[in-house]
Amino acid sequence: GAGVSQTPSNKVTEKGKYVELRCDPISGHTALYWYRQSLGQGPEFLIYFQGTGAADDSGLPNDRFFAVRPEGSVSTLKIQRTERGDSAVYLCASSLTGGGSNEQFFGPGTRLTVL
Amino acid sequence: GQNIDQPTEMTATEGAIVQINCTYQTSGFNGLFWYQQHAGEAPTFLSYNVLDGLEEKGRFSSFLSRSKGYSYLLLKELQMKDSASYLCAVRDNYGQNFVFGPGTRLSVLP
Repeated sequence: GAGVSQTPSNKVTEKGKYVELRCDPISGHTALYWYRQSLGQGPEFLIYFQGTGAADDSGLPNDRFFAVRPEGSVSTLKIQRTERGDSAVYLCASSLTGGGSNEQFFGPGTRLTVL
Repeated sequence: GQNIDQPTEMTATEGAIVQINCTYQTSGFNGLFWYQQHAGEAPTFLSYNVLDGLEEKGRFSSFLSRSKGYSYLLLKELQMKDSASYLCAVRDNYGQNFVFGPGTRLSVLP
């Protein structure tokens, strides 16, 4: 079956612009996570959805970052007034449920470059 | 605060055994995960520990000691394709916040 997909695979934007990054989780997975990863570092947790609601958004760095999952499937990460420091690979992952040993399946990521 | 430490880089020889250590200090604990990440690719799940002890899965084993805040990943019969970064991650108690370590870049030499 299809894995987690993310679009676009690459996004180049200018400082100050608005961007949207999309994640399509594995069908039937109720838990969805967003991370960002800089070169040579581990993924940094941003937000976790259980169904349609953001169960934990403690990793969002500031109010320029926002994510939605209106129908409990596809999620969009939105970044306003982008800054050069936002440049990273943004990873999405989904799991069947949020607890226990349920492994997260990661998408290929969106590489965001802010010029 | 949340902190996970791993060695930055390790080198081993094909066919050998390597142990990658991970120590953690987190506000809560609800499971420890190991992931493998090849360069330019997404992480893939290797193992999960929530109770103390050793979990074995083929050539890979993972150990956890909650009292010491310590885990290791053991890779046996190393193959060239095992060259990758290995990420240790802890899920904290209060939600689903996953804290990842910086990763250990393993190079397997012929």
